[in-house]
Amino acid sequence: ETGVTQTPRHLVMGMTNKKSLKCEQHLGHNAMYWYKQSAKKPLELMFVYSLEERVENNSVPSRFSPECPNSSHLFLHLHTLQPEDSALYLCASSQGNGQSTEAFFGQGTRLTVV
Amino acid sequence: RKEVEQDPGPFNVPEGATVAFNCTYSNSASQSFFWYRQDCRKEPKLLMSVYSSGNEDGRFTAQLNRASQYISLLIRDSKLSDSATYLCVVNWSGGSYIPTFGRGTSLIVHP
Repeated sequence: ETGVTQTPRHLVMGMTNKKSLKCEQHLGHNAMYWYKQSAKKPLELMFVYSLEERVENNSVPSRFSPECPNSSHLFLHLHTLQPEDSALYLCASSQGNGQSTEAFFGQGTRLTVV
Repeated sequence: RKEVEQDPGPFNVPEGATVAFNCTYSNSASQSFFWYRQDCRKEPKLLMSVYSSGNEDGRFTAQLNRASQYISLLIRDSKLSDSATYLCVVNWSGGSYIPTFGRGTSLIVHP
């Protein structure tokens, strides 16, 4: 499979649950990103990993915990979320040290916190 | 703060119309620029890169004005299938080139 793949596509979880979102890219990119998109709001950058090191953390609450075990995989671990965390979570990758490179997105995980 | 500003619209136009979107960015050190398209409940997808000299891809023309820090997208002969949200994206260099997205401009093309 090519491109950026996210699983699961849909997730419903309770506020006391722990779950993880997974992202995998087959593009040979060295940078990966998590974005959050709430209804009627712009994309919000959450985390950036470049060469498996976290280089950006945009004041995201600690109930979101990213993990990047290698350049092809990115996880977002979720625990004790709030209903306002319900959103579309998008993973993207790019060749982070190439200034002209575009970001490629996965199809997203639509998360509902109940 | 690194910001990308867009008029959210919606722009409501008839088929065949020409429509233009603008986007301004605050970081003068921004290095590269793109327009993405996002359909409802789908992920953003690259529409076109924006080059300093301006570039065209069929009915779509993108322009960059570095002095005024804005980019534009012109769509000619609008089709119903052009209805979507158009996102302006600016890569800035903080060590890595991090894509920063505008809030998007909604386009509705009607018969």
